[in-house]
Amino acid sequence: RKEVEQDPGPFNVPEGATVAFNCTYSNSASQSFFWYRQDCRKEPKLLMSVYSSGNEDGRFTAQLNRASQYISLLIRDSKLSDSATYLCVVNANAGGTSYGKLTFGQGTILTVHP
Amino acid sequence: DVKVTQSSRYLVKRTGEKVFLECVQDMDHENMFWYRQDPGLGLRLIYFSYDVKMKEKGDIPEGYSVSREKKERFSLILESASTNQTSMYLCASSSEPPGTSYEQYFGPGTRLTVT
Repeated sequence: RKEVEQDPGPFNVPEGATVAFNCTYSNSASQSFFWYRQDCRKEPKLLMSVYSSGNEDGRFTAQLNRASQYISLLIRDSKLSDSATYLCVVNANAGGTSYGKLTFGQGTILTVHP
Repeated sequence: DVKVTQSSRYLVKRTGEKVFLECVQDMDHENMFWYRQDPGLGLRLIYFSYDVKMKEKGDIPEGYSVSREKKERFSLILESASTNQTSMYLCASSSEPPGTSYEQYFGPGTRLTVT
C-alpha cells in the first residue's frame, strides 16, 4: 500500500464549479499535512497546511480526519487559473527525527475549462 | 524570498557517464532533499541531508550518491548513468523544526535524458 494515495483524476470542471479531492495516508504516526500545487512544467509550491480543526483560505478548504486517515481539499468557484496538479503531502514525525522529510502523493490533475 | 537554484534545466547524457546535478539554496536551511518525478509515480525521495556532511537514504537511493560539503549546496551524483534514470530531478530545502513550518521550497528542476 502506498503511504499517500490520491485519485489521479484527471478532473475536468467548468469555471465556477466546486471540486473536491481526497487523499488517504497509511502511517498513523503522521503529524503534519499539506496540499501542494504544481503547475505544468513548474516546481511544487505549498498551497496550504491542513489542521485538525479544518481550515479555509479564500476559496480553498482543507479537512483532516485522523480516525480515518483521510485528507480533503475543496475548491469553490473554480477559476481557469486553478488548473494544476494538486499534491497531498504528509510528514511522519517519529520522535522529532524526521528532519522535515515529506511523503508526496502522486497528485490529482485538475483542468478548469471556460 | 527563498530561492533554490539548480545548475541546469535540461541535460542530455550518455549511458555510463558520470553526472553531477547541483542545487544551491540561499535561506540558510538545514535540510535539503533530492527527488525524482516520473509520470504516474509522483515525487520520490532519493536522498536527503540534515546538516553539512550528513546524508540519509530516501526511498530510491540505488544508483545515486550525494555530497554536502557546504550548508547551501547539495549535489546529486549519478556514478554511471543509465536510461532508467531519465527523469525530472527536483531539489528542495527546508528549515529545521520544531517551531517552524515543514514547508519545502523547490528548485525549478532538471530534466535529465540519458541516451
